[in-house]
Amino acid sequence: DAGVIQSPRHEVTEMGQEVTLRCKPISGHDYLFWYRQTMMRGLELLIYFNNNVPIDDSGMPEDRFSAKMPNASFSTLKIQPSEPRDSAVYFCASSLGSWRGGNQPQHFGDGTRLSIL
Amino acid sequence: GENVEQHPSTLSVQEGDSAVIKCTYSDSASNYFPWYKQELGKRPQLIIDIRSNVGEKKDQRIAVTLNKTAKHFSLHITETQPEDSAVYFCAASKENDYKLSFGAGTTVTVRA
Repeated sequence: DAGVIQSPRHEVTEMGQEVTLRCKPISGHDYLFWYRQTMMRGLELLIYFNNNVPIDDSGMPEDRFSAKMPNASFSTLKIQPSEPRDSAVYFCASSLGSWRGGNQPQHFGDGTRLSIL
Repeated sequence: GENVEQHPSTLSVQEGDSAVIKCTYSDSASNYFPWYKQELGKRPQLIIDIRSNVGEKKDQRIAVTLNKTAKHFSLHITETQPEDSAVYFCAASKENDYKLSFGAGTTVTVRA
C-alpha cells in the first residue's frame, strides 16, 4: 500500500501568490482530511470529505482557503492570496468509514511544509 | 466542541524506564481514542487506539488505559528505548463523527 501521498513536500513562495497543495488518499478510503500543524496551534482540522463531498469545513480559517475533491483519488487545498501567517505544515489524512465497525484510524501523509515569505 | 488536554508537555526518562502520558477529554459522548507518534520532520503515525467498550489495550511495550467515568486515558510505554523519543499526541472523537480533537502533544526524550 502506497499510503497517503502529498505534493509538493516543500513549498516556498511570496506573499500574495496562489498555493495549491495536493493529496492522493489510500485507495478504498472514503474519508479525507486536511490538517494544519503549527507550534502555536498544534494540529488543527481544516476540512474533511466523505465520498468526495465536503462534510465539515468549520476549521477553514478564512475565505482565502478552499478545498476540493473532484474524485475519490485526488484532493486539493488552495490558498489565494497567501500570507506569511499561513506558513505551516499541512497534512492530508484518509480513513475508512465506520461501516467497518466504529471510527477507523486516520492515516497521515508526509505533509507539505509551506513557507510564505 | 471536544477539548482534549494532555500532560506533561515534556517528559525525559532514562532508557529502560517507563513513560506515562495522560489525557483528559470533555465530551462524555467521545468513544474513540487514538494515540499518534510523530518523529521530528515526519508524519503522525498511529501507534495504538482504544474504544470505549474496553478499559485497556496492549501492544508489546505500549499500553493504553481508559477511564470513562473520569474522562481520562493514558499511554504507557515500558522499557523505553532511544527510538521512542518523539512527540506523542492523544486524540478523541465521537461515534460516526470523524473530527479528531488532538491534545497539544508530549515531547518524550529517552536518555541513553
